[in-house]
Order: sequence, then structure tokens, then C-alpha cells
Amino acid sequence: GAGVSQSPSNKVTEKGKDVELRCDPISGHTALYWYRQSLGQGLEFLIYFQGNSAPDKSGLPSDRFSAERTGGSVSTLTIQRTQQEDSAVYLCASSLVGGAQETQYFGPGTRLLVL
Amino acid sequence: GEDVEQSLFLSVREGDSSVINCTYTDSSSTYLYWYKQEPGAGLQLLTYIFSNMDMKQDQRLTVLLNKKDKHLSLRIADTQTGDSAIYFCAESPANQGGKLIFGQGTELSVKP
Repeated sequence: GAGVSQSPSNKVTEKGKDVELRCDPISGHTALYWYRQSLGQGLEFLIYFQGNSAPDKSGLPSDRFSAERTGGSVSTLTIQRTQQEDSAVYLCASSLVGGAQETQYFGPGTRLLVL
Repeated sequence: GEDVEQSLFLSVREGDSSVINCTYTDSSSTYLYWYKQEPGAGLQLLTYIFSNMDMKQDQRLTVLLNKKDKHLSLRIADTQTGDSAIYFCAESPANQGGKLIFGQGTELSVKP
């Protein structure tokens, strides 16, 4: 079947605006992860979903960041009042049931530029 | 705490072996991973090693793990220009749902 898809592939926004980034995991995968890749910070974990709940939100950098997952499938990462330091590539990954022994399959990412 | 360190750049000649090194801090990590990222492409899992192993070989790839020193390496034999990419080492701490802690990535440049 299809891999992990993300939309949009690129997003340019003005400082202060809200943005929504979408992730469609592989069908049947219950675990979903969001990561961020930026020049200064490398690749960092943001949040992890098991089904529709998020047992680990420890990587969200501020309360401007939130994420939800509905129907155990699609997830949306929302950034409110965007700042220039939010510019990065946001990557989503999914795995079958979650856990260290499982392969995570990554989407192509959403490249966010905040002007 | 959780931290993964890698050198940032490596340059080799085509046909040589490449060795990319990584150190990690979380001794609870039961799996350690190598991911590859090519320009404009997503992350691709290359290989992984379970923490009770000290070596794993997969075609041109050899992973060595020194658990005592928390040191991981990836050796690519007969490196080709198509191997040019960024290579990320990652650990997955135990009981944390599988989240990955990545190193900064090593940019491998293969010169003909």
C-alpha cells in the first residue's frame, strides 16, 4: 500500500499566522510520530501517538504547538502564532504498534518557512 | 539524559570503505538504528542492531556496537557515489513508545 504521506509539501507563512500540517500514516499503523528537522537543532522528536492518545508530548517546544489524531489515522500538527524559529522540515512517521523494536516509516516532510 | 553525537562530515574516494561513528548516552536503548537521507528525500531505515549484539552485517553494511563505551559505527564497504547522503544514528530508549533520539547526522561525500 501507500507509504506515509504529508501535506502540504511546502508552506510559506507570515510570522504570527497559524499553520496546520497533515500526516496520513500507513493504513493499519497505530503508532504515529512527529519530528522536526532544523539547521540549528538537527532532528528532534516532538510527539508520539498511540491510537488517538498522545502518551508522550515531551518534545513539543512550546504551548503554541499542538497535535491531534482522529480515527486512529490522520494526524494534524498545529502551530499557532508562528515565529521565524519555527522554520524547519516537519517529518511524520508511523509504525505498526509502536515500540523500540519496530521500524518507523517516514513521510517526505513538510517544509515550513516563516517570514 | 538522552543525547546522540556524530561527526558532521566525512569525505571518501569511490571504492574505499567509509566508517561513520556515533556515541549515545541512554544505556536502556535496546535498539540502535542507522537512517539515510538523500537530498530532497525522506528518511530511510538502513539497518539496526539489537543491544545484545556486537556486530551485524548486511551486504556492504557492517554495524559495530560497543555497549560498554556506548559507541556505534556504520561501515560501508566499496563506497559508491550513490552512497553520498546524510547518515543519522538513532537510539530508542526503553519504554518510551519507540520514539527515536537522533544524532546530528554525518554528511558523507563520495568523490569519484
